[in-house]
Amino acid sequence: NAGVTQTPKFRILKIGQSMTLQCTQDMNHNYMYWYRQDPGMGLKLIYYSVGAGITDKGEVPNGYNVSRSTTEDFPLRLELAAPSQTSVYFCASSYDRPEAFFGQGTRLTVV
Amino acid sequence: GENVEQHPSTLSVQEGDSAVIKCTYSDSASNYFPWYKQELGKGPQLIIDIRSNVGEKKDQRIAVTLNKTAKHFSLHITETQPEDSAVYFCAALNPFMDTGRRALTFGSGTRLQVQP
Repeated sequence: NAGVTQTPKFRILKIGQSMTLQCTQDMNHNYMYWYRQDPGMGLKLIYYSVGAGITDKGEVPNGYNVSRSTTEDFPLRLELAAPSQTSVYFCASSYDRPEAFFGQGTRLTVV
Repeated sequence: GENVEQHPSTLSVQEGDSAVIKCTYSDSASNYFPWYKQELGKGPQLIIDIRSNVGEKKDQRIAVTLNKTAKHFSLHITETQPEDSAVYFCAALNPFMDTGRRALTFGSGTRLQVQP
């Protein structure tokens, strides 16, 4: 099992560009989540999904979109990148325990 | 909504000593309290959790205690080792926020350094 895999690991975007952060898990988990982590802060929930075709907003969803067409994949889309979106993004998945497994993270810088 | 405060922000101990990290939460409806360890350049790793129907849980050198009346919970690490050095996060889960959404609220983290 690879667990939760995020790509890319690092990315630099220019203001106004778009990108998709990929997340895939091979544990057949129904719950998947996207968090952002700013320096010296805890994690803030962006979006989550309870199963294929079902997504919901978290605490900080503005500027982001998600989709969940399969159990395995939960991509996060940034449409118009802004400097405030500079952060480390973590994807997580779980079955019976909330947020039990996290990916390695994607470090995004918007310049 | 839920607010989780975590103290201290940094903690330095000698190898072999114990370390204690404390968290308080505000929402009495929260019923699940996990702890995560985050090593440099990696994602958080769930190390122990406790549900609101128990007061203490142990797993080898780590333990978590929960006081629901006072709304605080703590992580205890005994016989610390250099490999325990990391950032530790507490969190609290309110299964039903006022909007109907579930949410895991994280503390701001504690950087633990174990000196050899």
